Amino acid sequence: NAGVMQNPRHLVRRRGQEARLRCSPMKGHSHVYWYRQLPEEGLKFMVYLQKENIIDESGMPKERFSAEFPKEGPSILRIQQVVRGDSAAYFCASSLSRGGEIADTQYFGPGTRLTVL
Amino acid sequence: KNEVEQSPQNLTAQEGEFITINCSYSVGISALHWLQQHPGGGIVSLFMLSSGKKKHGRLIATINIQEKHSSLHITASHPRDSAVYICAVSLRGGADGLTFGKGTHLIIQP
Repeated sequence: NAGVMQNPRHLVRRRGQEARLRCSPMKGHSHVYWYRQLPEEGLKFMVYLQKENIIDESGMPKERFSAEFPKEGPSILRIQQVVRGDSAAYFCASSLSRGGEIADTQYFGPGTRLTVL
Repeated sequence: KNEVEQSPQNLTAQEGEFITINCSYSVGISALHWLQQHPGGGIVSLFMLSSGKKKHGRLIATINIQEKHSSLHITASHPRDSAVYICAVSLRGGADGLTFGKGTHLIIQP
């Protein structure tokens, strides 16, 4: 059973370009989370999605960032018109859905290291 | 004030020592998670707990809900345990995004 997969592992973009980060959750997992780790800082929540729905995007910057988790295919985190401050490691995690008030273990992907020149 | 505080921030110990990393939180939670991040950057979930104590190999995690405090212990520490250990909480009921502590940088010297 493959774990959470992310690609690319490393991504270099020039200022003003677009960055697309992909995340394939573990088989059977319907919850996807995106987190950002800025250099020398801790992890921060960005967005939580289920298939075709954004559940919580309270951690997402209001501009230039968007996320989707379509019915088919991986979840995508898209950053438009990247700036140097977007350079960071972006981690995706997935979990099972057990419903109700029960939290579940989140399994992390290897991350995408984005460098903006 | 951060919602999740960890201590110590950095810890260097000798191989074989008993290690304790502490985590305090200031809000109601549905679960607390301990994660391990290796120098290569990958993140592994070690424990998720909402009460009591869990053990896996040489790792033990405890939580005291009344005191809003959790500890991660490593027995018979080994250089391969060197990593960043991160405490994180699920703030609301059900599946939701985690809120993280800043991590504890652990170095185990041979």
